[in-house]
Amino acid sequence: GAVVSQHPSRVICKSGTSVKIECRSLDFQATTMFWYRQFPKQSLMLMATSNEGSKATYEQGVEKDKFLINHASLTLSTLTVTSAHPEDSSFYICSASKGGAWDTQYFGPGTRLTVL
Amino acid sequence: KNEVEQSPQNLTAQEGEFITINCSYSVGISALHWLQQHPGGGIVSLFMLSSGKKKHGRLIATINIQEKHSSLHITASHPRDSAVYICAVKRGNQFYFGTGTSLTVIP
Repeated sequence: GAVVSQHPSRVICKSGTSVKIECRSLDFQATTMFWYRQFPKQSLMLMATSNEGSKATYEQGVEKDKFLINHASLTLSTLTVTSAHPEDSSFYICSASKGGAWDTQYFGPGTRLTVL
Repeated sequence: KNEVEQSPQNLTAQEGEFITINCSYSVGISALHWLQQHPGGGIVSLFMLSSGKKKHGRLIATINIQEKHSSLHITASHPRDSAVYICAVKRGNQFYFGTGTSLTVIP
């Protein structure tokens, strides 16, 4: 149990377009979902934490108008990268927990975004 | 200086060896995660620790809150243990991640 999926797994887009990434908890209700990005050969960087039905809490330095996060239900959160630029190219990973931020997190497989 | 330091950065071991990965942190925390990231990016949360020791199969994690140090041990290592192991801590609303230890276990 406790499976998290992400879609798409890979996406290539042109500069200036918007890209939506979905994160789903398949067999549990996720009270809290997290979005991370990872640059090549670097560790994870938390972008934001979202609780179902409320606005996401963004980490310092993360532009909330650029990275729109919606957690509309207990099983789905979306990250939309708006007006994507090549520097947004990265590996985006979501995780979900049944409880709060210090409950066990279950990670999705990640989405590789390449902006041309 | 990173708030979370891991050592070693890279580790190559022969199958069957006992492996230790260390994590030191400089901020006060309430708990610490050990994560495993496989080639291709998939991440699994191995342990969440607030004190003492936890064991799961061949994996053991310990934490010393006073010394701000945690270790991840792998007994009887196997090639399928090859992955990047990441230490992560949370303080208040801030997450801090180590840069990871890349482990390769050779048959």
